[in-house]
Amino acid sequence: AQSVSQHNHHVILSEAASLELGCNYSYGGTVNLFWYVQYPGQHLQLLLKYFSGDPLVKGIKGFEAEFIKSKFSFNLRKPSVQWSDTAEYFCAVTRGTYKYIFGTGTRLKVLA
Amino acid sequence: EAGVAQSPRYKIIEKRQSVAFWCNPISGHATLYWYQQILGQGPKLLIQFQNNGVVDDSQLPKDRFSAERLKGVDSTLKIQPAKLEDSAVYLCATSGLAGPPGAKNIQYFGAGTRLSVL
Repeated sequence: AQSVSQHNHHVILSEAASLELGCNYSYGGTVNLFWYVQYPGQHLQLLLKYFSGDPLVKGIKGFEAEFIKSKFSFNLRKPSVQWSDTAEYFCAVTRGTYKYIFGTGTRLKVLA
Repeated sequence: EAGVAQSPRYKIIEKRQSVAFWCNPISGHATLYWYQQILGQGPKLLIQFQNNGVVDDSQLPKDRFSAERLKGVDSTLKIQPAKLEDSAVYLCATSGLAGPPGAKNIQYFGAGTRLSVL
């Protein structure tokens, strides 16, 4: 079955620490990849996306993600997190039909 | 640009009762999605509309769930009768056809309706 895996369910970091959240998918062929963020009490917002081209994509608020096709991965990174990055992060994948398949999410807590 | 509007924000009902959720998309967005997000899980697509036609409802429990999108704008999702396992956040998302390449693949989400079935 098609799936998206986010192995880190809960992550706790101190401010200024580096962040990497894993995302792996099980589809072959061409995919579109997304990271969404949900801040406490708010709706899901697009953080960044990959459709084609440079596999290193930059998003809002200093986030970036790298698409590694051979590893079926799209990991999210940030060099130095802030308390305001406390949120839940979701990876999503589509294959042409615009139907998102979401991962289970990673709850990030940043300690001030 | 106004976002995706959903109401109500919260709903508490008893099992076997019925409930309805409403979604108003971003103006001009032709595609509308309803997701179910159970606590601790990612959103799961229930139904996708293109204008007022259903594109994908393969994961909609049709014995109790129904959805419509009259006139291709607003949409309602109904559960009748509700079960305990329907407790979840119900998210509406929309996407448009216009814009740069790939724009139609980007979904914009509403704040959701949190349903508790007692």
